[in-house]
Amino acid sequence: NAGVTQTPKFQVLKTGQSMTLQCAQDMNHEYMSWYRQDPGMGLRLIHYSVGAGITDQGEVPNGYNVSRSTTEDFPLRLLSAAPSQTSVYFCASSYLTANTEAFFGQGTRLTVV
Amino acid sequence: DAKTTQPNSMESNEEEPVHLPCNHSTISGTDYIHWYRQLPSQGPEYVIHGLTSNVNNRMASLAIAEDRKSSTLILHRATLRDAAVYYCILRDVENAGNMLTFGGGTRLMVKP
Repeated sequence: NAGVTQTPKFQVLKTGQSMTLQCAQDMNHEYMSWYRQDPGMGLRLIHYSVGAGITDQGEVPNGYNVSRSTTEDFPLRLLSAAPSQTSVYFCASSYLTANTEAFFGQGTRLTVV
Repeated sequence: DAKTTQPNSMESNEEEPVHLPCNHSTISGTDYIHWYRQLPSQGPEYVIHGLTSNVNNRMASLAIAEDRKSSTLILHRATLRDAAVYYCILRDVENAGNMLTFGGGTRLMVKP
């Protein structure tokens, strides 16, 4: 049981490049989400999904796209990277109920130069 | 959305109990109280959650006030490994997204 797996762990991008951060979970969770965490700050929600084919915006969605074609995978796409997107990105998943715990990946540290 | 208020930081001595407070005066009847912690350079990890009654697990205890407007996470014997940022979060059963909204949390420092 791998839990929530994020790849890559580290990435350096040039301004204007695009890339996809991968997130996969093997717990059959309906709910998946992406957060970003800037230095010394708490986590801010970017996008979330309550099931395959359903996505919605969180607090800071600009510059990011998501899709949810399967229950297991929830990739985050940066269309044109900007230095302001330098951050640590965390993926989380849980069952779609408040009476359960959420699981987080180990994070992707992204630097945009 | 109901919000939580936590002290920015707290200090504790190793092997002593730690009580981390959280105020949530606007909590609704359907909000569960969750606690997560984030060790340095790691993703958040679940600690404990509850609705109305006090809860215990292998990591910690959660004491919930009778009016539910506050709660306290109790670490019975702090270790150096417990140094982390602790987040108190309300999760609403009626919110289809069931989003976890993180505030600033409490940075716990444990002294040897």
